[in-house]
Amino acid sequence: EDQVTQSPEALRLQEGESSSLNCSYTVSGLRGLFWYRQDPGKGPEFLFTLYSAGEEKEKERLKATLTKKESFLHITAPKPEDSATYLCAVQESNFMNRDDKIIFGKGTRLHILP
Amino acid sequence: SQTIHQWPATLVQPVGSPLSLECTVEGTSNPNLYWYRQAAGRGLQLLFYSVGIGQISSEVPQNLSASRPQDRQFILSSKKLLLSDSGFYLCAWNQLSGEAFFGQGTRLTVV
Repeated sequence: EDQVTQSPEALRLQEGESSSLNCSYTVSGLRGLFWYRQDPGKGPEFLFTLYSAGEEKEKERLKATLTKKESFLHITAPKPEDSATYLCAVQESNFMNRDDKIIFGKGTRLHILP
Repeated sequence: SQTIHQWPATLVQPVGSPLSLECTVEGTSNPNLYWYRQAAGRGLQLLFYSVGIGQISSEVPQNLSASRPQDRQFILSSKKLLLSDSGFYLCAWNQLSGEAFFGQGTRLTVV
């Protein structure tokens, strides 16, 4: 069972058409949830970290929110340059040992049409 | 500031040949280090991670191994490559609780 599930797999929007990407997770204790942007052939670029339910972070046209079981990446009035794959990842809280691994979802491919 | 170097950027290797990908981090001490693989159109699959020198955790049984000979050096290796080892390999680092930062990746094609 995947610990991190992202939806939709792909999303096509017209320029200016706002929408949201979803990331649901099943880890028992969340140390942190991360959003990344990845352009083709490049390494992921860090966007946001969220630590607790109710937290929100904003950067330009992007806003990330967090609840106890999922996170949303809201994109407002997107532009063609926002086209990319957006990845969600979680780091589980483990007090038994130092287990700091970060697990990624499969991503949402976002395409903004001019 | 911290930087991460990963090389080579692209690599074409024949089946059965060995592999060595290297990753180094600058500007930080005792980082967690990660190797991920990304198949075409897929998410990032965690292969190995390390919390310290000589400490390697393997997430997926496979034809690959990892080593951490120095605090800020992480190496991904194979003795004999398979066709299925082709993919985009990414190295990353973070501190105990925090976001990971990625290298630019190595595109490996096994022919």
